[in-house]
Amino acid sequence: DTAVSQTPKYLVTQMGNDKSIKCEQNLGHDTMYWYKQDSKKFLKIMFSYNNKELIINETVPNRFSPKSPDKAHLNLHINSLELGDSAVYFCASSPPGANQPQHFGDGTRLSIL
Amino acid sequence: AQSVTQPDIHITVSEGASLELRCNYSYGATPYLFWYVQSPGQGLQLLLKYFSGDTLVQGIKGFEAEFKRSQSSFNLRKPSVHWSDAAEYFCAVAPLSGGYNKLIFGAGTRLAVHP
Repeated sequence: DTAVSQTPKYLVTQMGNDKSIKCEQNLGHDTMYWYKQDSKKFLKIMFSYNNKELIINETVPNRFSPKSPDKAHLNLHINSLELGDSAVYFCASSPPGANQPQHFGDGTRLSIL
Repeated sequence: AQSVTQPDIHITVSEGASLELRCNYSYGATPYLFWYVQSPGQGLQLLLKYFSGDTLVQGIKGFEAEFKRSQSSFNLRKPSVHWSDAAEYFCAVAPLSGGYNKLIFGAGTRLAVHP
């Protein structure tokens, strides 16, 4: 009965490849997010969707493209992977509203060779 | 620009000792405030949050935090630390406006607990 689940947990790939990370939540939340945590543990929001509509799009290279087929899923596709993309990517979800706490998945560790 | 500062990158305490983790924020108004904990290999778990009202808020696992408007601080405390509290702790703020939750995180404080 995992609330926010991400797959895969680990992803090792070559520079220049294209990869996707999937996220699903069974909490019934309307809003979902992607965060990037770098090697120094710094967390920064990348995207947020509310009911399949993009509402937050931080300064992220356009090689990163989120896709929300329905409000329970938010996938992250990354084209032409670069060394600097190595990080842990976290998916989260919450009800709508600035005061709503977010529920996080366990993260996907992406390593670029 | 909004920012969150956690001055202590790494803190070590003995089991049973008290703990205080510092957090300061920079924002035009009082934002929504959160503390999250991240255990190794896992995602973030909400410890507690502050929106308004009583400035001392209680959270899970015996943690509490005190909001001080004059100091723009939201420090996390625990009277007696357990070995299982060893983890990374993140303070975060969310702006009041916008109708959505855009969390801005501090850099985190890594807590080590000696037996």
